[in-house]
Amino acid sequence: NAGVTQTPKFQVLKTGQSMTLQCAQDMNHNSMYWYRQDPGMGLRLIYYSASEGTTDKGEVPNGYNVSRLNKREFSLRLESAAPSQTSVYFCASSRRMGEGQPQHFGDGTRLSIL
Amino acid sequence: ILNVEQSPQSLHVQEGDSTNFTCSFPSSNFYALHWYRWETAKSPEALFVMTLNGDEKKKGRISATLNTKEGYSYLYIKGSQPEDSATYLCACSTSGTYKYIFGTGTRLKVLA
Repeated sequence: NAGVTQTPKFQVLKTGQSMTLQCAQDMNHNSMYWYRQDPGMGLRLIYYSASEGTTDKGEVPNGYNVSRLNKREFSLRLESAAPSQTSVYFCASSRRMGEGQPQHFGDGTRLSIL
Repeated sequence: ILNVEQSPQSLHVQEGDSTNFTCSFPSSNFYALHWYRWETAKSPEALFVMTLNGDEKKKGRISATLNTKEGYSYLYIKGSQPEDSATYLCACSTSGTYKYIFGTGTRLKVLA
């Protein structure tokens, strides 16, 4: 029972490089989310997708783009990585926004930008 | 932006002690509150979902209450065990947006 799968688990980039974080869920959930987690701060929402075909900005969207490729997959792209984007990134999914259902999280991607 | 606060930030308790933490949130337009348990090197796992004022939920030795009028939720752990050591997160959403805002968590360490 995989749940939410994120790849890669670790990545080191140089400033200015680009990369895409992948996320897939096998629970037939409609809604998916990307968060970043920094020391001393709670999980902060970067982007979310309420349903297939829609994406919206969260609290901290600057420097990121997302793609809801299909119902299962939701990717996060850093076009030109900056040291301020060093963080742990979590993908999550839930059955449907607005139903109060809990979110299911992936194991996280630890990203370092040098 | 919704501000969710948790206290204390961290605490150490002895095995067998009971403990509780607080999650505070703005009471206007409240929709739902979640509690998550987050062990080191793992991902957060949902404990409780609460939506109604006065809700009480229980799972084993862990329970939670919700007061939406005054904007707080308590998480209780009875007879703490070392395996309860984790960070406990709360997240709150408001009607209309349904996006969740997370608190910074309470880090619990249970000493054997």
